[in-house]
Amino acid sequence: AQTVTQSQPEMSVQEAETVTLSCTYDTSENNYYLFWYKQPPSRQMILVIRQEAYKQQNATENRFSVNFQKAAKSFSLKISDSQLGDTAMYFCAFMKPRGGGAQKLVFGQGTRLTINP
Amino acid sequence: GAVVSQHPSRVICKSGTSVKIECRSLDFQATTMFWYRQFPKQSLMLMATSNEGSKATYEQGVEKDKFLINHASLTLSTLTVTSAHPEDSSFYICSARGLASSEQYFGPGTRLTVT
Repeated sequence: AQTVTQSQPEMSVQEAETVTLSCTYDTSENNYYLFWYKQPPSRQMILVIRQEAYKQQNATENRFSVNFQKAAKSFSLKISDSQLGDTAMYFCAFMKPRGGGAQKLVFGQGTRLTINP
Repeated sequence: GAVVSQHPSRVICKSGTSVKIECRSLDFQATTMFWYRQFPKQSLMLMATSNEGSKATYEQGVEKDKFLINHASLTLSTLTVTSAHPEDSSFYICSARGLASSEQYFGPGTRLTVT
């Protein structure tokens, strides 16, 4: 079974700083998807960024980028120029590709990120 | 696009009663829907997966007779908590995925309080 580990329960940085959230996972699959989701105080889950394991290039979405290290099974999220609105719980998640089962998301424990003014 | 709604957003019910939560995909056909439960300050725990027109597949430890899931159409799935008890109080989140997509779109969640 796949597992996802986020070893940082809480992080706090000042506005405009850069912050990196860590995520490691365990799988025997060669192809899969990795995601970072944001859950603000409203509790609506919002997709931040996704990475397909067969793509070597790290995904980027504006201020959000990932460092995907497949051999090390590591998938960290970097937030540049952090903003107050980035304050949220961040969940790392793993999913098998189609044909690999029900394509269930496996979530990490979450990291509570606070951006201070 | 890809909007998922849940109704109600909050519900309070008495112990022993049943409550139904609806999950709708508003602008796409959801062949698969997922139901999660989230306790305060914890991660999402998958309860069950439902495919349109089929019986739901429940995760280990989830009582299928207590948490009834119906996915009768491509835009609607319902979760019914039967004979609710205070320990069923939680935040319930659904997500939906279309046939050609690998991405899940999440509803805003339903806070259930059982008194």
